[in-house]
Amino acid sequence: RKEVEQDPGPFNVPEGATVAFNCTYSNSASQSFFWYRQDCRKEPKLLMSVYSSGNEDGRFTAQLNRASQYISLLIRDSKLSDSATYLCVVTIASGGYQKVTFGTGTKLQVIP
Amino acid sequence: NAGVTQTPKFRVLKTGQSMTLLCAQDMNHEYMYWYRQDPGMGLRLIHYSVGEGTTAKGEVPDGYNVSRLKKQNFLLGLESAAPSQTSVYFCASSHDRLAGAGSYNEQFFGPGTRLTVL
Repeated sequence: RKEVEQDPGPFNVPEGATVAFNCTYSNSASQSFFWYRQDCRKEPKLLMSVYSSGNEDGRFTAQLNRASQYISLLIRDSKLSDSATYLCVVTIASGGYQKVTFGTGTKLQVIP
Repeated sequence: NAGVTQTPKFRVLKTGQSMTLLCAQDMNHEYMYWYRQDPGMGLRLIHYSVGEGTTAKGEVPDGYNVSRLKKQNFLLGLESAAPSQTSVYFCASSHDRLAGAGSYNEQFFGPGTRLTVL
């Protein structure tokens, strides 16, 4: 089983729609969780951290479910500019270092 | 403040050739990383450095060497390029990382180097 798994998509949604992605992780000792956004042929950039209590940033909501070992990202009122690949990131302490594992990403295409 | 820069942006090599990729950051970050990104594989860590003069192996270090002679620079070398090393290479940097639960600092990525090995 992969350490971090994401549905590659693509998710094709109309403007204004709500879309949600999940990301599952295999190691229950994982400590920190994040969503990064990567535009086509560009570098990844941090979108938001995922906290145990859940957190919201404008149209974006991230949640963590430790019991089922997954994190989610909800995007409301999708914009054309939200089209990108969303990478799930999970960290775990390993030998004094936070080992960082990236998922392969979920591609979102927002359609006019 | 340029953030993280990488040179070159593109390169085509023949099998067996060598090259060095340069990463530079102006954020005074202690930690620097080299990743490769391949379709369907996600980002995989090649080598990383926790400070000037130190380097360590990541997930896929074979065929690569690195050096961190200056805090702001992290070099990735390919001594004898192979077609399997065709990929997009990203450098990243972050502030000091603390061991223990919940400690993480955002990784800032460079724009990437697209390498093709024929």
